Amino acid sequence: DTGVSQDPRHKITKRGQNVTFRCDPISEHNRLYWYRQTLGQGPEFLTYFQNEAQLEKSRLLSDRFSAERPKGSFSTLEIQRTEQGDSAMYLCASSPSDTQYFGPGTRLTVL
Amino acid sequence: RKEVEQDPGPFNVPEGATVAFNCTYSNSASQSFFWYRQDCRKEPKLLMSVYSSGNEDGRFTAQLNRASQYISLLIRDSKLSDSATYLCVVTLSSNDYKLSFGAGTTVTVRA
Repeated sequence: DTGVSQDPRHKITKRGQNVTFRCDPISEHNRLYWYRQTLGQGPEFLTYFQNEAQLEKSRLLSDRFSAERPKGSFSTLEIQRTEQGDSAMYLCASSPSDTQYFGPGTRLTVL
Repeated sequence: RKEVEQDPGPFNVPEGATVAFNCTYSNSASQSFFWYRQDCRKEPKLLMSVYSSGNEDGRFTAQLNRASQYISLLIRDSKLSDSATYLCVVTLSSNDYKLSFGAGTTVTVRA
C-alpha cells in the first residue's frame, strides 16, 4: 500500500457528461502528478503541482481538462464533455522529491 | 519518435531462467532513470533506480549506457511472481521529476 488513494476506482459515463476524480496524496508529499494510461501503453504525463501551484501542463491536457489542488492537499481532475477517446486509467502520484508513489488509479470508460 | 522505446515482448521464460531486456531513450539530456513494475490492472511501482555505474537489487541488475542511450534490466533465477510488465522510465529535467514512460516489456515466468 503506497498511501496514495484515488476515488472513484471505476467510472462509467456517457459521452458528453462531465466527470471529476479525486486524489489524496501521501500527507507530507508536496508534489502531485496526474498521468493517463491507455491499454498497451505506459502512463503519459498530464500535469503536476508543487503544493497548490500547478507548474506544468502537458499538451495532452485539452481545455476540457482542468486540475486543481486547493490548499496543497488533495487534488481533483475534471473532464468536461467527455469523449470516447478519454477512456483510460487516470493515475495520480505523489512525491517528496524524485521518487513517485502511484495511487491505484481511476478507470474511466466513456460509452 | 517516442522518448522511451521498449521491446514489448512478451518474454516467456521458465522458472529459474535469466531474462534480460533493454530500452532506449531519445533525449541525451535525460537525467534520471528507473525501472517500474506494473502488474495487470494495477498501478506502477518503483522496482529500482538506475545509476551510471550499474546497480543490483537482489536478483535484479540494471545498467545504464549513456553513450548509446540505453538502459537494461536483467532478472536472474526468475520466479513466477516476476511475471509483470516492466516499464522503463526517464526524467528529462533536473528541475522537476516528470516521468516519461516506455510502453513496457511483458515478462511471463512459467512453472
